[in-house]
Parts: sequence; structure tokens; C-alpha cells
Amino acid sequence: ILNVEQSPQSLHVQEGDSTNFTCSFPSSNFYALHWYRWETAKSPEALFVMTLNGDEKKKGRISATLNTKEGYSYLYIKGSQPEDSATYLCASFTSGTYKYIFGTGTRLKVLA
Amino acid sequence: SQTIHQWPATLVQPVGSPLSLECTVEGTSNPNLYWYRQAAGRGLQLLFYSIGIDQISSEVPQNLSASRPQDRQFILSSKKLLLSDSGFYLCAWSVGAKAFFGQGTRLTVV
Repeated sequence: ILNVEQSPQSLHVQEGDSTNFTCSFPSSNFYALHWYRWETAKSPEALFVMTLNGDEKKKGRISATLNTKEGYSYLYIKGSQPEDSATYLCASFTSGTYKYIFGTGTRLKVLA
Repeated sequence: SQTIHQWPATLVQPVGSPLSLECTVEGTSNPNLYWYRQAAGRGLQLLFYSIGIDQISSEVPQNLSASRPQDRQFILSSKKLLLSDSGFYLCAWSVGAKAFFGQGTRLTVV
């Protein structure tokens, strides 16, 4: 993988459902992987900074895992609420060049 | 503490006019600096990044250029704006594994 890719592109879930998204990134020269919650035309809101293979991070109902060897990270939301509706972005840091590239995001809509 | 200033917040410019968006960072030295653009209906696309003065990399061919006249100042410019340059522009800086963002500039080219 040469770019940062996210799937699915968009997702509609019912309030109370749990959901997860995938971020795939280049595994060579990996330095860090970030997850953000983002509303269009605003600054992204940081969720997690992940650096170590096997990392698991949790913040309330949201958690994330990291596999640097195969180049993927999962973001999980447990018991989705309407206020969770947003675009969730991942971004990959590459060591050496310090390139910081975002995925195209997963747009989540939680229906009440 | 470290802060990042990006201005202006909104801008309406006619086609063919020049552009200058400025981003400055305070509270750190030798940051890595980035310019992103969100075009309508799309994610954040990396336009330029810089790991030092006079070290600027361009990611996509386009009508824009970037300069870093001082260590903590990153400027996005165009000599003649196109309609397709409209979008949301975001400046960021990083140190170590952390990244920080400006408030963004919404540019409308008319």
C-alpha cells in the first residue's frame, strides 16, 4: 500500500449499534498513526496517537488497535450516539521524510 | 505553550487574483510544517510539507506554491487563482509523533 486508505467510505448505523472502520497505511518506514474526528471545514479533533505494533487505545466508547507489520488500524465505536456523527480520519506519519498523509475518511451517520 | 495561527479565516477572491495564506507557529523551533486542502466532498489532501527552511516538498502538481521564509512561518501562494482552487485550506505542524492544526481558511474563488 502506497497511500492511506479508509473503509467504508460512509456508514449509517442506528443509535446504540456498535461499529468499526478500517485504516490501511504503508507499513514500511512507519512512525505513527493518528485517528481524528473531523467536521468538514474545521480543524480535526485528535482521538488517538498510536506508535507501537499491538497498541490498543481507548477513550470512552471509542477504541483503536494498531498492526504496523501489516499496515492497518481499526477504530471501534461502542453504542453509537447521534453526536458521534462525523467523519473519522486516520493519518500516517512516515519516518525519515516526515510526510503526514490523511486517509479519505469514513463518514459516520448515527440515526436516532 | 505551542500555538499555531492561520489567517485569514475566510477569503473571497476573484479568478485571476493572487493568493497569500499565512501560517505561523509559536512555542517551538524547527517544526515540520504542512499545507492541506479539502476540496468539496473530499478528504484532506496534502499539498506541501517542509522539514526546514528552503526544504519544501510538493505533493501534487497545481496552481499553488509554498514558501518558508522563517523557521516558524509557512506561506501558501498563487499568482493567479482558478475557480478550482476554492476549498478549505488547513495548516499544520508536527514534532515527534504529534500534529497540531490551524483553524483553517475557507477560500472561495468567484
